[in-house]
Amino acid sequence: QVQLVQSGAEVKKPGASVKVSCKASGYTFTRYAMHWVRQAPGQRLEWMGWINPGNGNTKCSQKFQGRVTITRDTSASTVYMDLSSLRSEDTAIYYCARDYSSNVYGDLDPWGQGTLVTVSS
Amino acid sequence: QSALTQPASVSGSPGQSITISCTGTSSDVGSYNLVSWYQQHPGKAPKLMIYENTKRPSGVSNRFSGSKSGNTASLTISGLQAEDEADYYCCSYAGSDTWVFGGGTKLTVL
Repeated sequence: QVQLVQSGAEVKKPGASVKVSCKASGYTFTRYAMHWVRQAPGQRLEWMGWINPGNGNTKCSQKFQGRVTITRDTSASTVYMDLSSLRSEDTAIYYCARDYSSNVYGDLDPWGQGTLVTVSS
Repeated sequence: QSALTQPASVSGSPGQSITISCTGTSSDVGSYNLVSWYQQHPGKAPKLMIYENTKRPSGVSNRFSGSKSGNTASLTISGLQAEDEADYYCCSYAGSDTWVFGGGTKLTVL
């Protein structure tokens, strides 16, 4: 079955960077877009960006321009999200989510289990 | 982009129907038939309930339906059940390979 397994929780200091991984299994990794979505405590879902695992092309929300880098390792069927210059407002659960079909329509299913990133001095 | 506008909360009794609205602009909801809806129970990852405005993924109950008119999309849940109590989010394609979520709606089953 299709499954996305994310890396474990992280605690970082302000100004540091964090790299979250998302390992995919159960399907052809390069055929489906992967998105990153975050959710601060008690807050709404927020779309961050996506990657085409086939060619590595990415697009990120303007809000995160310059701070987010999304990459992939096709040999490991893994996508990574790197967020730099962390501040307290970046404390959130970070989810990876695959496009439901091979079209890049932003219909997200399935989702990873989420990775809690806590930014605290 | 600004978040899509959803009511903060809606409620209904078991067996009733409720509708959650999702209002965007002519740059997102109004321009594309690419609105999706997600259900999120506390402490869980979101689950896709409706995609491309009106389609249901396999395994999702036909009590859930979606529609769109102009800049507003809607999610209707008929025959409300206790397990439908959750947060619901809409999401729309916003052009230039970007997407935007709504603010979320808390559904309470009375």
